[in-house]
Amino acid sequence: GAVVSQHPSRVICKSGTSVKIECRSLDFQATTMFWYRQFPKKSLMLMATSNEGSKATYEQGVEKDKFLINHASLTLSTLTVTSAHPEDSSFYICSARRPGAKNIQYFGAGTRLSVL
Amino acid sequence: GQQVMQIPQYQHVQEGEDFTTYCNSSTTLSNIQWYKQRPGGHPVFLIQLVKSGEVKKQKRLTFQFGEAKKNSSLHITATQTTDVGTYFCAGGNDMRFGAGTRLTVKP
Repeated sequence: GAVVSQHPSRVICKSGTSVKIECRSLDFQATTMFWYRQFPKKSLMLMATSNEGSKATYEQGVEKDKFLINHASLTLSTLTVTSAHPEDSSFYICSARRPGAKNIQYFGAGTRLSVL
Repeated sequence: GQQVMQIPQYQHVQEGEDFTTYCNSSTTLSNIQWYKQRPGGHPVFLIQLVKSGEVKKQKRLTFQFGEAKKNSSLHITATQTTDVGTYFCAGGNDMRFGAGTRLTVKP
């Protein structure tokens, strides 16, 4: 099946630093990728849609300058949490749709961010 | 955008009991997908339903899409401890998920 790789799986950083999370589609090209945030025992909250070669589409209430998304190639999207603060601590998950597989999403393993 | 509502939010069963989670939409869905997320893991695709009234089975799991394509259900027969996790639905082209149903199974 399709594989989406997400790195790092876990990161601990100091408040004020920036953290970059990578999401790669390993065996297919993804013109669109999705970034979610998940709080403990809660649902997946869509943050933004990452579009290859163009600006990301952010969901209402998500700060564009806080969560920078870059989709520079057909297999890589990155999410950078800028000037992270403790309230940014969360589980971040990316997903991609395989061409021809309609709406089926393949998820990365997620990144657990802890900001001290 | 459209959003699906999912109930119940939590379900605790004794091993061997059946379990059902429901997904409802106010609008007609072109299709619906179900995902399972194990504790500490990431969502994994289970199935997609497309046709009105469609029923699909995966071993002990039965998925159903309503005739009006506005609701769906996932039924697990004789739950096992390996069924523990959160089950999410997502409808149509929307990448937003339902709230999920968290299933715990007591051995």
